[in-house]
Amino acid sequence: QKEVEQDPGPLSVPEGAIVSLNCTYSNSAFQYFMWYRQYSRKGPELLMYTYSSGNKEDGRFTAQVDKSSKYISLFIRDSQPSDSATYLCAMSAVSNTGKLIFGQGTTLQVKP
Amino acid sequence: EAGVAQSPRYKIIEKRQSVAFWCNPISGHATLYWYQQILGQGPKLLIQFQNNGVVDDSQLPKDRFSAERLKGVDSTLKIQPAKLEDSAVYLCASSWDREYANTGELFFGEGSRLTVL
Repeated sequence: QKEVEQDPGPLSVPEGAIVSLNCTYSNSAFQYFMWYRQYSRKGPELLMYTYSSGNKEDGRFTAQVDKSSKYISLFIRDSQPSDSATYLCAMSAVSNTGKLIFGQGTTLQVKP
Repeated sequence: EAGVAQSPRYKIIEKRQSVAFWCNPISGHATLYWYQQILGQGPKLLIQFQNNGVVDDSQLPKDRFSAERLKGVDSTLKIQPAKLEDSAVYLCASSWDREYANTGELFFGEGSRLTVL
């Protein structure tokens, strides 16, 4: 079993839709949770970071962490064609500073 | 502020040949990482440097991969001899220090795409 599981998609939605992206994990030591966006032939770039459980909102993006279920989510409201990319969840434990474990990535296409 | 620089962007080699990738991190960043991203997968950490010392190389295939970070700045990742399964994008990333990566302050280069034929 992988430490971090993520549905690879692809996910195709119309412009303006609400998108839900999810990851599950098995390592209860994970405390730091991140979402990265990766455009084709580019490196990942940070979208959201959350420590431990809870919600965090930044513009059209909301990140949720449920440690009891070992489940994290990223919601994108009013999705735009420019949101078309691969979304990677990543996690790390306090004991393993700086070592991020990434999910497989979900490919999202937002159609105009 | 200049980002993480990597070269070459693309490389095609035959199996059993050797290849080297170069990375220049963001100025002042103490921690440097090499990740391997196989098509359709998330990045996997190969090696982590703190200044010029290795912090974690547990997932580096040491029989064929080597990496160094002389003087604590630039880094080189070498593969010798290459196998077909080494076809991937090799991403270099850097952060101010190890703790900053935990909070997402990890900056990636655009990657070096390797095709092994």
